[in-house]
Amino acid sequence: GAGVSQSPRYKVAKRGQDVALRCDPISGHVSLFWYQQALGQGPEFLTYFQNEAQLDKSGLPSDRFFAERPEGSVSTLKIQRTQQEDSAVYLCASSPGTGVEQYFGPGTRLTVT
Amino acid sequence: AQTVTQSQPEMSVQEAETVTLSCTYDTSESDYYLFWYKQPPSRQMILVIRQEAYKQQNATENRFSVNFQKAAKSFSLKISDSQLGDAAMYFCAYRSREVGLHGANSKLTFGKGITLSVRP
Repeated sequence: GAGVSQSPRYKVAKRGQDVALRCDPISGHVSLFWYQQALGQGPEFLTYFQNEAQLDKSGLPSDRFFAERPEGSVSTLKIQRTQQEDSAVYLCASSPGTGVEQYFGPGTRLTVT
Repeated sequence: AQTVTQSQPEMSVQEAETVTLSCTYDTSESDYYLFWYKQPPSRQMILVIRQEAYKQQNATENRFSVNFQKAAKSFSLKISDSQLGDAAMYFCAYRSREVGLHGANSKLTFGKGITLSVRP
């Protein structure tokens, strides 16, 4: 079956632009996670959804970051007024339960110039 | 808060040989999960192996096995009969067993990773 897909795979944004990153989880997966992975680092948690409810957004680095999952399936991570420090790979993961086993997408590499 | 430490940034192994990747972690919890993930250049994180802290038996998955030392908070990955396709970044990760209020503990906490190269 299809895995987690993310689009776009690469995004270049000028500083100050808004970007939207999309995640299509595995069909039927209840939980969805976003992680940010800086170059040469491990992924860091951003936010967690259970169905359409955003249960944990403690990892979002600033109020410029916003995520939604309105119908409990596809999720969008939006970054407003991008800064150079936002350059990273953004990974999405989904899980059939509460997230013990998370299935990751290929990520979106965001470069802010 | 939990932390995961991978102190070796790089390792190299000869094809067909065995290599061990180290990981330590810090937590005040008694029950949790530990994972090793593989991330090839394609960036897709792939689950290699999982260990439940309440299980004393070390997990194995084909050529991959772990040495879980709960008292020492150590969780190393052994790769036997290394293959060229094993070359990747490997991340150790921690997850609480108790989900907590509103799923607060559902996230994975990762180490910085280790780059494994395999020499032909």
